[in-house]
Amino acid sequence: AQKVTQAQTEISVVEKEDVTLDCVYETRDTTYYLFWYKQPPSGELVFLIRRNSFDEQNEISGRYSWNFQKSTSSFNFTITASQVVDSAVYFCALIETGANSKLTFGKGITLSVRP
Amino acid sequence: ETGVTQTPRHLVMGMTNKKSLKCEQHLGHNAMYWYKQSAKKPLELMFVYNFKEQTENNSVPSRFSPECPNSSHLFLHLHTLQPEDSALYLCASSQDRNSGGGKSYEQYFGPGTRLTVT
Repeated sequence: AQKVTQAQTEISVVEKEDVTLDCVYETRDTTYYLFWYKQPPSGELVFLIRRNSFDEQNEISGRYSWNFQKSTSSFNFTITASQVVDSAVYFCALIETGANSKLTFGKGITLSVRP
Repeated sequence: ETGVTQTPRHLVMGMTNKKSLKCEQHLGHNAMYWYKQSAKKPLELMFVYNFKEQTENNSVPSRFSPECPNSSHLFLHLHTLQPEDSALYLCASSQDRNSGGGKSYEQYFGPGTRLTVT
């Protein structure tokens, strides 16, 4: 069975600090996809990134970067020079590619960025 | 409009009321989902529709009744709800992996309906 663990529940940083959000996953499938979503106070989950299990290249998008390591089953998300607008709940999620597989979410990490 | 829209954004209803939540996606996807998000709980998948056919009912009480008239619209009909049903109800869509065309696994979410049952 698939599982996503986000051990951190709440993180508070001061603006301009770097912050890393951890995600550890479990799956028996060799082919799967990992995601990060952002949920601002407005409620909508915003898709940030998708990574497939065969692509371990790290990715950078502006102030956001993702570190995917299959050896440790982790898919961590780093925000560089955090801003107040980054304050949100961040979810890591996993989906296997078998028939009728479902998107499994972690419990989310509440990030507060203080001015 | 673009993306996934949901109406109403906020809803307060009594336990004896009947109401419906509406979701519309403008992404050309063929799979749609209802999720429930309660305070301090993980996202719970409620229903999945693929090509308008329900493929998943995650042990949801019968007081929640989904309807999917076409691939772009999804409804959640509510009746005789309980206070513990108060939550954020999120709709999502994706391009089903069996569509024969391009496939993707990411789901795109609407802004949600904040439901309060009194």
